[in-house]
Amino acid sequence: RKEVEQDPGPFNVPEGATVAFNCTYSNSASQSFFWYRQDCRKEPKLLMSVYSSGNEDGRFTAQLNRASQYISLLIRDSKLSDSATYLCVVRGSSASKIIFGSGTRLSIRP
Amino acid sequence: DGGITQSPKYLFRKEGQNVTLSCEQNLNHDAMYWYRQDPGQGLRLIYYSQIVNDFQKGDIAEGYSVSREKKESFPLTVTSAQKNPTAFYLCASSNTETQYFGPGTRLLVL
Repeated sequence: RKEVEQDPGPFNVPEGATVAFNCTYSNSASQSFFWYRQDCRKEPKLLMSVYSSGNEDGRFTAQLNRASQYISLLIRDSKLSDSATYLCVVRGSSASKIIFGSGTRLSIRP
Repeated sequence: DGGITQSPKYLFRKEGQNVTLSCEQNLNHDAMYWYRQDPGQGLRLIYYSQIVNDFQKGDIAEGYSVSREKKESFPLTVTSAQKNPTAFYLCASSNTETQYFGPGTRLLVL
């Protein structure tokens, strides 16, 4: 079993739709959680950190479920510019324990 | 303005050749990292450094070497021992938990 697992997609949704991704992790001692966005042939960029209480940034909402060991990302009113690969990142207690998921591809169609 | 720079953007390696990828940051971050990304896969950690003159192997260090003589610089050498070097190489730095990435170097074998 992979340490961090994501549905690779692709998710193909119309503009304006709401879309949600999940990411599961295997290490219950994981401490920090993040969502990154990666455009084609570019570097990953931090989208948002994920806090235990859940957090929102505009159209994006991230949630953490420690009991079930997953994090989620919800995108409301999706835009064409949201098309990208979304990487789930889980961090343990040390710098060597930063694990990246393989990413979920999202494609928004007009 | 602050950020992470990587050079070159594209690098071609001949069989048996060592090549060095540059990574420089002016964010005053202590920690720096090198990752490798293959198509459709997540990032895999090659080496990381939490302080000048110290670095640790990641999950796939074989065939690679690094140095950390200055806080701002963390070059990666891909040696001839790395038999499958074709990939997208990403350098990152971090303050506390959040990592920031450079634009990457694509390495191709001639």
